[in-house]
Amino acid sequence: EADIYQTPRYLVIGTGKKITLECSQTMGHDKMYWYQQDPGMELHLIHYSYGVNSTEKGDLSSESTVSRIRTEHFPLTLESARPSHTSQYLCASSPPGHSTDTQYFGPGTRLTVL
Amino acid sequence: QKEVEQDPGPLSVPEGAIVSLNCTYSNSAFQYFMWYRQYSRKGPELLMYTYSSGNKEDGRFTAQVDKSSKYISLFIRDSQPSDSATYLCASRAGANNLFFGTGTRLTVIP
Repeated sequence: EADIYQTPRYLVIGTGKKITLECSQTMGHDKMYWYQQDPGMELHLIHYSYGVNSTEKGDLSSESTVSRIRTEHFPLTLESARPSHTSQYLCASSPPGHSTDTQYFGPGTRLTVL
Repeated sequence: QKEVEQDPGPLSVPEGAIVSLNCTYSNSAFQYFMWYRQYSRKGPELLMYTYSSGNKEDGRFTAQVDKSSKYISLFIRDSQPSDSATYLCASRAGANNLFFGTGTRLTVIP
């Protein structure tokens, strides 16, 4: 089983709050990703990082931001949460030397913004 | 047009049945094809990986890619209740990021 962790697992928060979703992995993976997954919809890549101090936006536009100060840590922040941000957020990582196919996923954070 | 199209199901089969899950894709540059399995309240896990056209078998699972028709299939033989999950197909071209289908929810009834 992959050692990739996400906290919190569930979060219910009011509109306008700032939130940070945590993602960490202990496998030394250089590549990390954030996906958004809604019921009945495909996973959409919103951010990715190929190493420390490297972050890129994914295919789906998102108001969230990410940082990669340490290899093992890839937090996602929403400065002002809105109901439209309600979704499941999945973090993933890939080992060095491997393609992006071998992605290990965390259990996800289910975010509800009231 | 979505990069990868997948019938969301749901699909219910009796235990022991052969299951066929399918996806189509639109980008002819896609060369790498994957199937991920996602159990309820868990993240997806890589199940099968194929490069270009052809078949790949792993135990009860067979992945098939037909690039001429842009068709991806996953077959599960002798399906078990533990196979009940959502199956997501994914593809990419070169070193680019993955494009996922919506997932097909499968239930295997004992």
